[in-house]
Amino acid sequence: DTGVSQDPRHKITKRGQNVTFRCDPISEHNRLYWYRQTLGQGPEFLTYFQNEAQLEKSRLLSDRFSAERPKGSFSTLEIQRTEQGDSAMYLCASSKATRDYRSYNEQFFGPGTRLTVL
Amino acid sequence: QKEVEQDPGPLSVPEGAIVSLNCTYSNSAFQYFMWYRQYSRKGPELLMYTYSSGNKEDGRFTAQVDKSSKYISLFIRDSQPSDSATYLCAMKETSYDKVIFGPGTSLSVIP
Repeated sequence: DTGVSQDPRHKITKRGQNVTFRCDPISEHNRLYWYRQTLGQGPEFLTYFQNEAQLEKSRLLSDRFSAERPKGSFSTLEIQRTEQGDSAMYLCASSKATRDYRSYNEQFFGPGTRLTVL
Repeated sequence: QKEVEQDPGPLSVPEGAIVSLNCTYSNSAFQYFMWYRQYSRKGPELLMYTYSSGNKEDGRFTAQVDKSSKYISLFIRDSQPSDSATYLCAMKETSYDKVIFGPGTSLSVIP
């Protein structure tokens, strides 16, 4: 399977613990995105990378959240001191940038990591 | 007011019906308009996209964009039970890679 993969698929943790999620994008894709999705809502943008550079961060991304993409391949999203409000589905997507401004650089989504904070 | 509004449903239709899904938006800088489908416990997948205004057809699916009204639609003809999913509209500006999603409309097609 050459799609976007995420690990783990489910994570249950206690409030105050740190958690880390991993995303492996499609191999030739240079852009990688993190989103958060709560029940009944669409994905909310958190941050994105072009290669290893983090280009934009949402104000939703508090200082407890940090994302890395050290070699421009896989990415990790860490949440420190988790709170119950962090419970959500964390989605990763990847895309390949093109030079045709009329083309939408389709973002391919992974299956998500469902986080439950008790 | 949220940037992208969408009727959350749920919407329930009989098999074979024509389905109309709609979104409104407030940011006039949006130029790319996408429709994603999301099955339960899965990530969203792109159905189709439109650049700027106009219509686009792909099989049973037709997307329409009216930038003057800041209104987009997705029509599904001859709906099938396999179309049962949440449909998310999404938009972005030309110069930013950030995609803004609507809250999604849950659709059930009853055999």
